[in-house]
Amino acid sequence: GESVGLHLPTLSVQEGDNSIINCAYSNSASDYFIWYKQESGKGPQFIIDIRSNMDKRQGQRVTVLLNKTVKHLSLQIAATQPGDSAVYFCAETLTGGSYIPTFGRGTSLIVHP
Amino acid sequence: ETGVTQSPTHLIKTRGQQVTLRCSSQSGHNTVSWYQQALGQGPQFIFQYYREEENGRGNFPPRFSGLQFPNYSSELNVNALELDDSALYLCASSLNRGGYEQYFGPGTRLTVT
Repeated sequence: GESVGLHLPTLSVQEGDNSIINCAYSNSASDYFIWYKQESGKGPQFIIDIRSNMDKRQGQRVTVLLNKTVKHLSLQIAATQPGDSAVYFCAETLTGGSYIPTFGRGTSLIVHP
Repeated sequence: ETGVTQSPTHLIKTRGQQVTLRCSSQSGHNTVSWYQQALGQGPQFIFQYYREEENGRGNFPPRFSGLQFPNYSSELNVNALELDDSALYLCASSLNRGGYEQYFGPGTRLTVT
């Protein structure tokens, strides 16, 4: 079946660097995408979302880019901090009708001080 | 404002038994979604409830069932437990149905022996 996947299972960066986490999605009909952060022992935390009518959205220190042509999503974290260390998931879904989201496997971000 | 809470935190059951997990949604939220997260994997969507009615269901067998109550709290019931049901079960609430910003609880760790 169709699924969301991530290119890199683990990403190690130095504190202060910019981080880029990538995600490939398979369902070209998906129109809503979300990035979540999950710290050890906690539930996922919403970071940022983007709809298919946009190709870029910025939040505080985070930017999500959507390339519908190649079905690719990325999360950019500026000036990465040790507190950013966590597993990051992308999720895709279709809005309207029944809600059935698909999550990727996750990328572990390790930030070295 | 109270966040999403789940009970119990941990649970050990024997294969073939039945289990009920509980979730209290964040104040003002009328939608609850349930997810199963196996170790090292992304959350897998089980189902979503909006104002006491199911609003979407993932690829899970009928022995996974749910309820949402008038106060928008929710239960996940799993019958005839199998070893593969061992996982972290996450509940998330949101202001409305669909794929909008969801707030996750800390999860219930279920172990089936």
